[in-house]
Amino acid sequence: AQSVTQLDSQVPVFEEAPVELRCNYSSSVSVYLFWYVQYPNQGLQLLLKYLSGSTLVKGINGFEAEFNKSQTSFHLRKPSVHISDTAEYFCAAYNQAGTALIFGKGTTLSVSS
Amino acid sequence: GAGVSQTPSNKVTEKGKYVELRCDPISGHTALYWYRQSLGQGPEFLIYFQGTGAADDSGLPNDRFFAVRPEGSVSTLKIQRTERGDSAVYLCASSLTVRAEQYFGPGTRLTVT
Repeated sequence: AQSVTQLDSQVPVFEEAPVELRCNYSSSVSVYLFWYVQYPNQGLQLLLKYLSGSTLVKGINGFEAEFNKSQTSFHLRKPSVHISDTAEYFCAAYNQAGTALIFGKGTTLSVSS
Repeated sequence: GAGVSQTPSNKVTEKGKYVELRCDPISGHTALYWYRQSLGQGPEFLIYFQGTGAADDSGLPNDRFFAVRPEGSVSTLKIQRTERGDSAVYLCASSLTVRAEQYFGPGTRLTVT
């Protein structure tokens, strides 16, 4: 089955600490990979994307992700988080047909002072 | 430039009624998608349009759901005989080409009482 799995439903961290949000995808999805962020009562905002090329992808707000084909992973990282990074984060991949994004269930990042 | 817009932002309807949800994509984007997001879940694909035609409607849950995009721009998602289980946030997204990043609207929160 085509699936995207986010391994942590909630990640609490302190401000200025590093964070990693984990995402694994099934081998049956396309390797067109995305991370989106959703702030409370807002729509989804694109953080970064991997379509091809360099396996280390940089996005907005200081986030980056690394595509690892052998481990079928696309983990999101930030070296130092801010209170304002508190939000829901979704990993997504196109299905094989390229007609739809398959989303993980999301990871709630809670940053406290 | 203008992003994806959706109207209404909120819709409350009674069980059994008919509703229409509208999506206005980014100008020039040929691909348009509808998703449904339930509380605590990632978005789930409903339907994909390339131009005016529904290229993939495999995500529509049943025949009460229908969507159109008559002129290749604005799309309307139509739900007949609404049920309480249809309550969710309905998201619309558009992309410039296939397998490209999708840009999401703010969503329509549908509540069926």
